[in-house]
Amino acid sequence: DGGITQSPKYLFRKEGQNVTLSCEQNLNHDAMYWYRQDPGQGLRLIYYSQIVNDFQKGDIAEGYSVSREKKESFPLTVTSAQKNPTAFYLCASKSRTDTQYFGPGTRLTVL
Amino acid sequence: AQSVTQLGSHVSVSEGALVLLRCNYSSSVPPYLFWYVQYPNQGLQLLLKYTTGATLVKGINGFEAEFKKSETSFHLTKPSAHMSDAAEYFCAVSEKNYGQNFVFGPGTRLSVLP
Repeated sequence: DGGITQSPKYLFRKEGQNVTLSCEQNLNHDAMYWYRQDPGQGLRLIYYSQIVNDFQKGDIAEGYSVSREKKESFPLTVTSAQKNPTAFYLCASKSRTDTQYFGPGTRLTVL
Repeated sequence: AQSVTQLGSHVSVSEGALVLLRCNYSSSVPPYLFWYVQYPNQGLQLLLKYTTGATLVKGINGFEAEFKKSETSFHLTKPSAHMSDAAEYFCAVSEKNYGQNFVFGPGTRLSVLP
């Protein structure tokens, strides 16, 4: 089945540590996105990539980094510079008909 | 610039009653419009979308939405609510040919009362 996978589902981080969230898709989509969701709030765009080896900052990129070395993969690193990283992180890819499809999400908690 | 507003952060309906979730948008060009549903601790699932053509769009789980250009609205409806419809609903807009401009509304939490 085609889809988007995110791992891990739950992630715990100590303060000062970098952590990397995985996002993989087998939908053959060019564009991929990372969003952050806080309780009771909508989605905020962190980074997006329209094509391999290219990515752009979204609205809240500070404290995050990404890479796009392969079409299928768009990992997100939450660095120690991110002051309040506890949140639900969603990865998405976009079809040629401009429809975004989402992964199941990763819940990150800072201890 | 695009924007999306959803009237009512929380809507409660009785089981079997009509569901109406409101979405208004602003866009400088003809938009693509979407409704997504999110269950707790899960990703977003596409309910339905409007791109071109018929303005009344049918989606999954008995939901439908109507694109009204004159009102810049894309309200989501379902004739009869089911307990399983309780979730968070997000409206989103994308401007054609501007791939990175995909804007989500703040969401509406739907509660279904027995």
